[in-house]
Amino acid sequence: DAGVIQSPRHEVTEMGQEVTLRCKPISGHDYLFWYRQTMMRGLELLIYFNNNVPIDDSGMPEDRFSAKMPNASFSTLKIQPSEPRDSAVYFCASSSQLTGFGEKLFFGSGTQLSVL
Amino acid sequence: QKEVEQDPGPLSVPEGAIVSLNCTYSNSAFQYFMWYRQYSRKGPELLMYTYSSGNKEDGRFTAQVDKSSKYISLFIRDSQPSDSATYLCAMSAPGGKLIFGQGTELSVKP
Repeated sequence: DAGVIQSPRHEVTEMGQEVTLRCKPISGHDYLFWYRQTMMRGLELLIYFNNNVPIDDSGMPEDRFSAKMPNASFSTLKIQPSEPRDSAVYFCASSSQLTGFGEKLFFGSGTQLSVL
Repeated sequence: QKEVEQDPGPLSVPEGAIVSLNCTYSNSAFQYFMWYRQYSRKGPELLMYTYSSGNKEDGRFTAQVDKSSKYISLFIRDSQPSDSATYLCAMSAPGGKLIFGQGTELSVKP
């Protein structure tokens, strides 16, 4: 099992540009989560999907952020337009059950985003 | 007030020391308590998992939960340089989202 795969590993862009982050969850996992990690705020849940359907997007900071999951093996997180305060490490994670039942989360290696 | 509070450190100890990492929380509905370990430039990975109160031991690691005090701890015995990482506590209520602490950066010096 290759684990959760994220791309790109690093992204450097200029303010105002569109950024797309990609994630392939572990096969068979029904839940997919997008997190953002910063020194100031720690690890924050942005949105999660169950069976490709967005369930809770209350953590998405602004309308500039959007996420999709067109099929069970692929998800994207898009920021348009990007701003310097969006600079952070973005993690994708998947699990076979909702984490509220003690389910283990499997994280990808993250995308380090720098917006100049 | 955050739901989960964790001292970010950094914490530096000599090899062989006993390390104590702690988190406090405010939501009495939390039932599942976890510790994730995150190495530099990697995603977090589950280290320990405890349901409700009590202790759980796994090798050099011991997780404790005191629900009456809303306080959880992770102890590392005979710490090794390979234990150098950021340790995040995480917890959830039944059916709820996993809430993470800020993470404590630990450095074990040879």
